[in-house]
Amino acid sequence: SAVISQKPSRDICQRGTSLTIQCQVDSQVTMMFWYRQQPGQSLTLIATANQGSEATYESGFVIDKFPISRPNLTFSTLTVSNMSPEDSSIYLCSVSPAGTDTQYFGPGTRLTVL
Amino acid sequence: TQLLEQSPQFLSIQEGENLTVYCNSSSVFSSLQWYRQEPGEGPVLLVTVVTGGEVKKLKRLTFQFGDARKDSSLHITAAQTGDTGLYLCAGGGGTSYGKLTFGQGTILTVHP
Repeated sequence: SAVISQKPSRDICQRGTSLTIQCQVDSQVTMMFWYRQQPGQSLTLIATANQGSEATYESGFVIDKFPISRPNLTFSTLTVSNMSPEDSSIYLCSVSPAGTDTQYFGPGTRLTVL
Repeated sequence: TQLLEQSPQFLSIQEGENLTVYCNSSSVFSSLQWYRQEPGEGPVLLVTVVTGGEVKKLKRLTFQFGDARKDSSLHITAAQTGDTGLYLCAGGGGTSYGKLTFGQGTILTVHP
């Protein structure tokens, strides 16, 4: 399994500002994903972070609002832009080793927008 | 669109009781993952099952993958307070490579 870290672990932000969340993996992985989760609920996939190309976004999520970078096989960032209180959530990154469907998750970033 | 129906959504039991959580779909999955998540942490993988009819045991937890690979169950024997958490099933190998289809989750509370 992979060891995944996220920064920051939590943050409180003002409406209209942006926050960049970092995800670091201890080994090279092909597939990296970004999810959003309300406490006590299931996960909603935001996008697949592709190394060397633009991220693939799920329905309801757009690049202008959630720009994603993936400069190499161990690191990715998710930016939540022009935040509103509706963006308050837990943001999780995950990785999937090559040849498997199994995903391993980071500890999450708890975001509160005032 | 693939869906995984997970039930029950909430489960509140006493320590020592047994329980079962179900995940059902009309779609076939190549694998089924079960995760447990505690507050303030990310989901932690409990098990991956890949073969129809497969049964895996992890101490007091028993996981089963249906013969047709459309459903799965998690059975906990003699639940403990440490089992409290959000349980998630997730199906892999669907229409989009690498992506998982998640169930709605089951919040389990085990009372002492």
